[in-house]
Amino acid sequence: GENVEQHPSTLSVQEGDSAVIKCTYSDSASNYFPWYKQELGKGPQLIIDIRSNVGEKKDQRIAVTLNKTAKHFSLHITETQPEDSAVYFCAASQGSARQLTFGSGTQLTVLP
Amino acid sequence: DTGVSQDPRHKITKRGQNVTFRCDPISEHNRLYWYRQTLGQGPEFLTYFQNEAQLEKSRLLSDRFSAERPKGSFSTLEIQRTEQGDSAMYLCASSPIDRSNYGYTFGSGTRLTVV
Repeated sequence: GENVEQHPSTLSVQEGDSAVIKCTYSDSASNYFPWYKQELGKGPQLIIDIRSNVGEKKDQRIAVTLNKTAKHFSLHITETQPEDSAVYFCAASQGSARQLTFGSGTQLTVLP
Repeated sequence: DTGVSQDPRHKITKRGQNVTFRCDPISEHNRLYWYRQTLGQGPEFLTYFQNEAQLEKSRLLSDRFSAERPKGSFSTLEIQRTEQGDSAMYLCASSPIDRSNYGYTFGSGTRLTVV
């Protein structure tokens, strides 16, 4: 089955700096890669996703890049703000959205 | 419709008791999923429904676990003879059948503590 590894497990940045979180996946059949943000006591919230026919996708301060050959994808957050502090999860699936395999999460702390 | 609702938010039970959780998905979403999340880990897939049909079950879903979605709307997840290892956050999510939109919407979860 699919295995998703995520790094780093914790990340602290100064407000206004950029943050990068990286994930690798094992199953070459995976073609859908979402990122979720989870705040304390809440369920994960989808913040951006990318499909394998696209190399990069941006939404305001958030971007995701995908390297299918190397089987890795990354989340980039620019101009970080304190409200970006949360746990971020990457995930992968084979696109039918029936089952996502999640990484172990990154605790992002944005220091004011 | 304000999103995926889960009830209860918290449940404390004694080992050996049965518990049942409810999930109300977004009304127009045909697909419904259950995941389990333990502290410091990402969610793990348990089972998936398309309308009322249960199409996939994880090996994590032992015989003590059963899920239903009787009319293709809300779903229940029952755990029989609970064990301490069942303590976790149980998350429900839903999604539409839409080739242009694969994204799930998660509920806030039910936190189960088995004592």
